[in-house]
Amino acid sequence: KNQVEQSPQSLIILEGKNCTLQCNYTVSPFSNLRWYKQDTGRGPVSLTIMTFSENTKSNGRYTATLDADTKQSSLHITASQLSDSASYICVIPGRGSTLGRLYFGRGTQLTVWP
Amino acid sequence: SAVISQKPSRDICQRGTSLTIQCQVDSQVTMMFWYRQQPGQSLTLIATANQGSEATYESGFVIDKFPISRPNLTFSTLTVSNMSPEDSSIYLCSVEFTRWGNEQFFGPGTRLTVL
Repeated sequence: KNQVEQSPQSLIILEGKNCTLQCNYTVSPFSNLRWYKQDTGRGPVSLTIMTFSENTKSNGRYTATLDADTKQSSLHITASQLSDSASYICVIPGRGSTLGRLYFGRGTQLTVWP
Repeated sequence: SAVISQKPSRDICQRGTSLTIQCQVDSQVTMMFWYRQQPGQSLTLIATANQGSEATYESGFVIDKFPISRPNLTFSTLTVSNMSPEDSSIYLCSVEFTRWGNEQFFGPGTRLTVL
């Protein structure tokens, strides 16, 4: 069964601190993995897209890693800011018979306190 | 990236009524998608709307409850019919661009509360 599991479910950190969010998946076959940021009351916005051959990709203070062998990804946020408070969603598109379908994690709700 | 707008951004409706949500994209796209996001949950695909054909609904969603229109390549509507409090959710449309590696872009969502 194709699933995407994220941890932790929620996280509270102080401004300026770093944090790491986890994503484990069983989606197969695999083509790419996406991290989205969803602010409260807004739609998800893409942060990174990682293909099978990529291990690390950065987007400013966001760094995503991917281990396709263990089917794990992480999103590391450096020097957090209040504006980082949001839900971070791990998404994997299906391939083959499930082409066009997206598999969503439930998200990690990050709260950054001043 | 794509600019996607939705109307209304939020609404409070009475049980038994219907609400039509509009989704406008600034580029022509073949595939548009409608999602529901219930509180604390991830996004659930309602249906895929391709221009010129009937929408394809996911298991658990039916056309009578969620009729969809797709009159052209930049616009779609989703109607939530005969609403009940269980329909209270955020409804999002999204589009997929093949020229950007099939990346999906999401609209800002419509927050629906049914009393």
